[in-house]
Amino acid sequence: AQRVTQPEKLLSVFKGAPVELKCNYSYSGSPELFWYVQYSRQRLQLLLRHISRESIKGFTADLNKGETSFHLKKPFAQEEDSAMYYCALKSQGNLIFGKGTKLSVKP
Amino acid sequence: KAGVTQTPRYLIKTRGQQVTLSCSPISGHRSVSWYQQTPGQGLQFLFEYFSETQRNKGNFPGRFSGRQFSNSRSEMNVSTLELGDSALYLCASSREPTSGNTIYFGEGSWLTVV
Repeated sequence: AQRVTQPEKLLSVFKGAPVELKCNYSYSGSPELFWYVQYSRQRLQLLLRHISRESIKGFTADLNKGETSFHLKKPFAQEEDSAMYYCALKSQGNLIFGKGTKLSVKP
Repeated sequence: KAGVTQTPRYLIKTRGQQVTLSCSPISGHRSVSWYQQTPGQGLQFLFEYFSETQRNKGNFPGRFSGRQFSNSRSEMNVSTLELGDSALYLCASSREPTSGNTIYFGEGSWLTVV
């Protein structure tokens, strides 16, 4: 079955600390993976997609097919990074989302 | 250019009533999909339309339906509302449903069923 798992509901770090939001997936085939972010009172917006291999707002994510993971990382967290983060897998044109991880960056 | 637009933003309905939500995709986008977001279940796929045809449907009862018009606008309808239908309904669009096309979301329609 196709599935996305985000094991942490809440992740709390201090400003300047490294952060890693975990995402594991189950998919038969070549996966297309995304990270979406939802800031307070804002719409769900795309943060990263694995095919771009880019860094957005200091975040990076590497697809590890062997471990079926797509963890999101940032070396130095900022207070403005506090938000809900969703990992998503594209399947037949629609997205399968993980339950999300709430990142809280404390000053 | 304008993003995905959803109307109405907020609405309150009574159990047993029906509701229609509207979505205007980004200009040039022909694929529209709908998601339900609740605190308990998270984000769940409802259905997807491309060129006025439903391509995929999520695991929701038949009370949930949708359609897409020739201008790519889409509507979703929920009949015989239940309390558990209270949720944020998100519309998303992309140029095409194929890989490599990014999916963009609207702000959502907040539905409260009382």
